[in-house]
Amino acid sequence: TQLLEQSPQFLSIQEGENLTVYCNSSSVFSSLQWYRQEPGEGPVLLVTVVTGGEVKKLKRLTFQFGDARKDSSLHITAAQPGDTGLYLCAGTGGFKTIFGAGTRLFVKA
Amino acid sequence: DAGVIQSPRHEVTEMGQEVTLRCKPISGHDYLFWYRQTMMRGLELLIYFNNNVPIDDSGMPEDRFSAKMPNASFSTLKIQPSEPRDSAVYFCASSLRGGEQFFGPGTRLTVL
Repeated sequence: TQLLEQSPQFLSIQEGENLTVYCNSSSVFSSLQWYRQEPGEGPVLLVTVVTGGEVKKLKRLTFQFGDARKDSSLHITAAQPGDTGLYLCAGTGGFKTIFGAGTRLFVKA
Repeated sequence: DAGVIQSPRHEVTEMGQEVTLRCKPISGHDYLFWYRQTMMRGLELLIYFNNNVPIDDSGMPEDRFSAKMPNASFSTLKIQPSEPRDSAVYFCASSLRGGEQFFGPGTRLTVL
């Protein structure tokens, strides 16, 4: 059974701090996605990584896909209160996507 | 263009009652997914359709759950009879050719 583990589960930091969240699996995925979900809404796609070792940047967010395509990390530089939310990683094999349990981030002003 | 539309946004019902959740995918999308989200289990895929045909329903928890997609613009997820452990947020998502999934706002179901 494929499983995606995210860590930490919860993170509370001050505005301006940097942070990294991790997504790990024993399975290989054809692609991996990061989503952000705000209360009362559905997840919204931030990025998709496909190639092992790939690094993508989205403003202050940096996403990396592991060389073996089993793990990924999301690094946020100088976090802001607007970054608060639930960050979900999702691995896709074929047309089926499985989600990690998420990292709940709270950025205090 | 409107995104994925779900109704109702909130549903409170009593144990044993039938519950029907509705979804209108983004026009032109050929894949539709139903997910359930709880604090304990996170976001779980229940079933997905391609061109209105159910492809994988292995995530449907029990026979009490059923899903249909009578046409390209409408899908339902039905729970009969409902139980308190079915309480969760149910999301519908759609995609084009299996690409990026766009999620609806969800239906928060509470079964008393």
